[in-house]
Amino acid sequence: SQQGEEDPQALSIQEGENATMNCSYKTSINNLQWYRQNSGRGLVHLILIRSNEREKHSGRLRVTLDTSKKSSSLLITASRAADTASYFCATDAGGYQKVTFGIGTKLQVIP
Amino acid sequence: NAGVTQTPKFQVLKTGQSMTLQCAQDMNHNSMYWYRQDPGMGLRLIYYSASEGTTDKGEVPNGYNVSRLNKREFSLRLESAAPSQTSVYFCASRDGNQPQHFGDGTRLSIL
Repeated sequence: SQQGEEDPQALSIQEGENATMNCSYKTSINNLQWYRQNSGRGLVHLILIRSNEREKHSGRLRVTLDTSKKSSSLLITASRAADTASYFCATDAGGYQKVTFGIGTKLQVIP
Repeated sequence: NAGVTQTPKFQVLKTGQSMTLQCAQDMNHNSMYWYRQDPGMGLRLIYYSASEGTTDKGEVPNGYNVSRLNKREFSLRLESAAPSQTSVYFCASRDGNQPQHFGDGTRLSIL
């Protein structure tokens, strides 16, 4: 079963706007990761946030984590057409080194 | 660095045929994973190998077998392919609790 659930499942915005994607999960985690997948390619890691962190930045990406609500959000600022991709959250509960992925948010950035 | 390499990239099989999907990583990672990706389902873990010489079932192992041939290579075998196994298969690797590195996938169709 999926641990993470992304919301929305699809998002279409104009270039230059901000894009926000949310992820909810069910059980305790060690860390939460966000990945991007371009069409026809594998997933590429974007950012990892540990359970004791609340916010993390990487370039135009901002990730927040609220462990009390079991939720995370990914904000992409000043979006570009090249940001068009599917975005997945993944939760790592540790232990057996298994990572569980959500179903993803498909982002379209219109030039 | 090549990272994670999957072969073949595309394959069409008839029901009942067998085949092996190959995966190799050149990053000296201990852990390797096989996922399948289906529309609306996200990535589901088939099998994983936490270290050389060990393999464990994931969420959807039925109909599959794996071999961790050495530290670099982790193969996935379909003994008797079924149409329900039509999917995109991704191999990934990682070191400890670091983010995963993915190959570009094998697109498998079973008629």
